[in-house]
Amino acid sequence: KAGVTQTPRYLIKTRGQQVTLSCSPISGHRSVSWYQQTPGQGLQFLFEYFSETQRNKGNFPGRFSGRQFSNSRSEMNVSTLELGDSALYLCASSLASGTSWGYEQYFGPGTRLTVT
Amino acid sequence: KNQVEQSPQSLIILEGKNCTLQCNYTVSPFSNLRWYKQDTGRGPVSLTIMTFSENTKSNGRYTATLDADTKQSSLHITASQLSDSASYICVVSASGAGSYQLTFGKGTKLSVIP
Repeated sequence: KAGVTQTPRYLIKTRGQQVTLSCSPISGHRSVSWYQQTPGQGLQFLFEYFSETQRNKGNFPGRFSGRQFSNSRSEMNVSTLELGDSALYLCASSLASGTSWGYEQYFGPGTRLTVT
Repeated sequence: KNQVEQSPQSLIILEGKNCTLQCNYTVSPFSNLRWYKQDTGRGPVSLTIMTFSENTKSNGRYTATLDADTKQSSLHITASQLSDSASYICVVSASGAGSYQLTFGKGTKLSVIP
């Protein structure tokens, strides 16, 4: 069974631009969550999508948005990039979405975004 | 404010030795606690998920404990191997009103040397 895949793996953008990252979950998984990881802040939760609906959201500005398609693939978009958006963006998939976040999650390798 | 504190920040041990990583949390209402292992340049891999009623959970050479009264968890690694070199992240979930909130620790960086 193929794991979670993320594209692209590396990306360099300029401040003010926008970027779209893609995540394909494990086959059969309907929940996709996105995380930002930086050396200073560590891992932070962005949002979770399940059956094309956003189920939960972390404390990030509206410049960060996402969506999920009917095949469970998900995209994350960051508009008006800032230098502080440089980070590793991880997505994780799971079979279901729970109110207690109790389902096993499987992470992809991440997309390394550098904003210059 | 929900917080998760991990200690130590970094640790160096000799191959074959045991070690224990700590996670203290102030998260309410507690739902579950997870330990992840993250190798450099890769996504995290789940080691254990523990709910309020579980005290101990093992996954091979990894054993996690949870004391819900003192709000402490530990991850014990037995007979360490070079491949255990990684960052170990503790994540605590609080749930309520049909949703959940995640609080992440900053991680412990473990280096196992020959």
